[in-house]
Amino acid sequence: GAVVSQHPSRVICKSGTSVKIECRSLDFQATTMFWYRQFPKQSLMLMATSNEGSKATYEQGVEKDKFLINHASLTLSTLTVTSAHPEDSSFYICSARGTVSNQPQHFGDGTRLSIL
Amino acid sequence: GQQVMQIPQYQHVQEGEDFTTYCNSSTTLSNIQWYKQRPGGHPVFLIQLVKSGEVKKQKRLTFQFGEAKKNSSLHITATQTTDVGTYFCAGHTSGTYKYIFGTGTRLKVLA
Repeated sequence: GAVVSQHPSRVICKSGTSVKIECRSLDFQATTMFWYRQFPKQSLMLMATSNEGSKATYEQGVEKDKFLINHASLTLSTLTVTSAHPEDSSFYICSARGTVSNQPQHFGDGTRLSIL
Repeated sequence: GQQVMQIPQYQHVQEGEDFTTYCNSSTTLSNIQWYKQRPGGHPVFLIQLVKSGEVKKQKRLTFQFGEAKKNSSLHITATQTTDVGTYFCAGHTSGTYKYIFGTGTRLKVLA
């Protein structure tokens, strides 16, 4: 099946640090990638959608300047949490999808971010 | 905005018992997907339903899409300990690019 690699799997850093998370589709071209945030024992909250070569579409309430998304190629999207604070601590998961909008999403393993 | 609710939130069953989770959308869906997330893991795609009233089976799992395309269900027959995890539905609305995930149902199976 389709494979999506997300890196790093865990980050612990000091408040004020910027953290970059990478999401790669290893065996297919991901026209669209999604970034989710998941709090413990809760559902996945869509943060933003990125399409290759264009600006990301952010969901209501998600700060664009806080969560920078880049989708420079058909196999790579990055999420940068800028000047992270303890309240940004969470589980961030990316997913990737091919060219057809109703195709399944293939999820990365997630990144557990802890800001001290 | 669109909301997708699932009930129950939690379910504990004895191994061998059946389990059902229900998914309800506030808007009509073009299709719905189901995912399973094991504790500490990421969501894994299970199935997609597109047609009104559609029923699909995967071994012990039966998925159903409502006639009005606003609700769906997942039924597991004779649960096993490997069925443990959180089951999410994700609804897609025509004209949008995204799926809205349901609130999830966490299943625990007691051996």
